[in-house]
Amino acid sequence: SAVISQKPSRDICQRGTSLTIQCQVDSQVTMMFWYRQQPGQSLTLIATANQGSEATYESGFVIDKFPISRPNLTFSTLTVSNMSPEDSSIYLCSVGSLEGGYTFGSGTRLTVV
Amino acid sequence: AQSVTQLGSHVSVSEGALVLLRCNYSSSVPPYLFWYVQYPNQGLQLLLKYTSAATLVKGINGFEAEFKKSETSFHLTKPSAHMSDAAEYFCASERRGAQKLVFGQGTRLTINP
Repeated sequence: SAVISQKPSRDICQRGTSLTIQCQVDSQVTMMFWYRQQPGQSLTLIATANQGSEATYESGFVIDKFPISRPNLTFSTLTVSNMSPEDSSIYLCSVGSLEGGYTFGSGTRLTVV
Repeated sequence: AQSVTQLGSHVSVSEGALVLLRCNYSSSVPPYLFWYVQYPNQGLQLLLKYTSAATLVKGINGFEAEFKKSETSFHLTKPSAHMSDAAEYFCASERRGAQKLVFGQGTRLTINP
């Protein structure tokens, strides 16, 4: 399975600021996925990022709030913009596995104060 | 719409006892099904997956799950719980071809000595 490095592992940010989360994969992948896990909740897909095209966002998530970049087949970033305390969550990136299923990064724990 | 329901947000068992975590899916066509485990402050690790081969699926760490179409279920079991099994467990489904995971709410497993 692919190995995913996600940075930062955690951060505490002031409301109104933005944070960019990086996701690096050790192999080339077509699609990368970004999930949000709110405190005590399950995971919700934010968007799917294909290299060379705009990300596809799920209902309830918009590009202005969560802009995503996908400059090549091994890297993606998710920015959480104009943050509020409600954005405090764990953000995880994920890629598909050749064996079936998906591999997840270790997540970014974001606290907005 | 596709959905996953995990019965019981918290399950507590004694060390050495049977572990049973319940998952039911809602889909007109049997989806791919997955169980993931999340240890504290870590990302998600794939335990096992059902992709329409054998209905009894064996995973890592002694876990297994049985796909039952008639019951739309994919319950996770382990014959003998170990203290290291304490974690959050997520059931997820993927509509075939969709490349999008839908997660259940999660079940926190506690192991009593």
